Amino acid sequence: ETGVTQSPTHLIKTRGQQVTLRCSSQSGHNTVSWYQQALGQGPQFIFQYYREEENGRGNFPPRFSGLQFPNYSSELNVNALELDDSALYLCASSLFGDTIYFGEGSWLTVV
Amino acid sequence: TQLLEQSPQFLSIQEGENLTVYCNSSSVFSSLQWYRQEPGEGPVLLVTVVTGGEVKKLKRLTFQFGDARKDSSLHITAAQPGDTGLYLCAGDRDDKIIFGKGTRLHILP
Repeated sequence: ETGVTQSPTHLIKTRGQQVTLRCSSQSGHNTVSWYQQALGQGPQFIFQYYREEENGRGNFPPRFSGLQFPNYSSELNVNALELDDSALYLCASSLFGDTIYFGEGSWLTVV
Repeated sequence: TQLLEQSPQFLSIQEGENLTVYCNSSSVFSSLQWYRQEPGEGPVLLVTVVTGGEVKKLKRLTFQFGDARKDSSLHITAAQPGDTGLYLCAGDRDDKIIFGKGTRLHILP
């Protein structure tokens, strides 16, 4: 148990739809990072939020967007879903610059 | 181009054998981490190495950070079926954690 919770755990969407994934960070953590992990691959960095501001972004198109709320929980939004967006989406929380702790992820299938 | 290259990608060995997996980069990292991920779960941190040449032990697992801080290795002694999983190395770059593709390890009973 890392104290990082993600929802939903599994979901299926149709190509072109939009999805919102949620992450509740560990108590006291002010930084949330999102990763995409395709089957058989390592996690790929999407972006990081620190104190409600985006603090770095990986090589993902603008249809991947996020938010961090005052309580440091976070959302990942993906618009215009494509088949290749099917993956495990991982949220990790930390105190800025410190050890990161992962949630168990949200499995997204796009059909 | 992958910033962190892990090898081998897959490894299947018998229980009791020893093994080493590698994480290599052309870049210098302030620290490297090793994670283990089991199916249906997020990665779990095993160790962080910070100093060039550092060696850390975690029971049967030995982690080494290269002198130049560009590479690391994980050695498992007397592997057990419970060691089965995806082993990921990750580097701290601009306060972001960047992962390799991982080594999928399967220990046969």
